[in-house]
Amino acid sequence: SAVISQKPSRDICQRGTSLTIQCQVDSQVTMMFWYRQQPGQSLTLIATANQGSEATYESGFVIDKFPISRPNLTFSTLTVSNMSPEDSSIYLCSVEGGQDYQETQYFGPGTRLLVL
Amino acid sequence: AQSVAQPEDQVNVAEGNPLTVKCTYSVSGNPYLFWYVQYPNRGLQFLLKYITGDNLVKGSYGFEAEFNKSQTSFHLKKPSALVSDSALYFCAVRDSPTDSWGKLQFGAGTQVVVTP
Repeated sequence: SAVISQKPSRDICQRGTSLTIQCQVDSQVTMMFWYRQQPGQSLTLIATANQGSEATYESGFVIDKFPISRPNLTFSTLTVSNMSPEDSSIYLCSVEGGQDYQETQYFGPGTRLLVL
Repeated sequence: AQSVAQPEDQVNVAEGNPLTVKCTYSVSGNPYLFWYVQYPNRGLQFLLKYITGDNLVKGSYGFEAEFNKSQTSFHLKKPSALVSDSALYFCAVRDSPTDSWGKLQFGAGTQVVVTP
């Protein structure tokens, strides 16, 4: 089964600060995605992390607020910048493609963020 | 455009009784359909998917789902529910082929409560 890890698992941050979330997968994947799940809500796609190029952002999400890196085929980071209480959410990465993750997205355990 | 609806916010069932979680979808092409489960304070776990072939799909933990093209539905079922099945269930859809490779549209989620 998929082995996807995220760090940190949870954090409490002060408004105005930034937090970088890491996503590591156990084998090379084609696609990596970042989602947000606000309290009691469904998942909303933030962006697709492309290896070797800039991330592709969904409507309502911008690079200045959510910069993303994807330096190789097994790792990505999402930064939540200049945080406000409205950024309190669960942030999830998912992966698809490559030898082990065909046609299905598999999710990491999530990062629970509380902004005070 | 693709969309998915889960008409029930919550489903209550007694342990040992059949469990059904409803999902309907709308896509412009042929659908890729998925079910995920989220246990408290956990990420999303993949249960099963329909890509093509047999309309009845079997997945993890004794769950199955039936693809019904005429009714555009993909309901999740389990013949005998367990208390440990209590969780949040998400249906997701993706158009195939798609110009947004990998992008999933999630339903709002259905909370399943199984009572002893």
